Amino acid sequence: AQKVTQAQTEISVVEKEDVTLDCVYETRDTTYYLFWYKQPPSGELVFLIRRNSFDEQNEISGRYSWNFQKSTSSFNFTITASQVVDSAVYFCALSDPYNTDKLIFGTGTRLQVFP
Amino acid sequence: GAVVSQHPSRVICKSGTSVKIECRSLDFQATTMFWYRQFPKQSLMLMATSNEGSKATYEQGVEKDKFLINHASLTLSTLTVTSAHPEDSSFYICSAQGLAKNYEQYFGPGTRLTVT
Repeated sequence: AQKVTQAQTEISVVEKEDVTLDCVYETRDTTYYLFWYKQPPSGELVFLIRRNSFDEQNEISGRYSWNFQKSTSSFNFTITASQVVDSAVYFCALSDPYNTDKLIFGTGTRLQVFP
Repeated sequence: GAVVSQHPSRVICKSGTSVKIECRSLDFQATTMFWYRQFPKQSLMLMATSNEGSKATYEQGVEKDKFLINHASLTLSTLTVTSAHPEDSSFYICSAQGLAKNYEQYFGPGTRLTVT
């Protein structure tokens, strides 16, 4: 069965600290997509990244970076030099193998960045 | 800026009444729209997928007669919660997908429904 596990329920850091949000997934399919979304207090989900299962290259976008490792079924997300505006709930998601449009979300990690 | 809007953002209704929530794609044609439900401090659960001009596909366990979905145009989908009960209180989020946006799902800001 498809499943996404975000074991960290809440993380608190002080500004400028680096923080890594973990995501472990389970799927029986060989072709799938992984996603990260940010949900700020306003509620709107903001798309951060989509990664194809065949592309294991790490990606960096500004202060954000993602580490995809198929060997451990993990797709971790690191924020470097965190800022207060990074405070939000972050969701990792996996595409359903029979319908890649259908997203299976993890339970989310609430990140609080204190000044 | 926002590419998907939802209206209303908050609604309070009495038990037994029906509530309609609108989801609009603002600058692209959404061939597919999705409706999710999110309980407090929990994940998003897909309720249904709707393609423009056809009947919605509901996820297992979602009552199609209770949650009516209409996707009459390429920029508008509506979710109607019929005969609402307190247990229907939740945060409802839509997302839209289309060719112009590379088929990425763009999410609306959500609608908080409270049934008293």
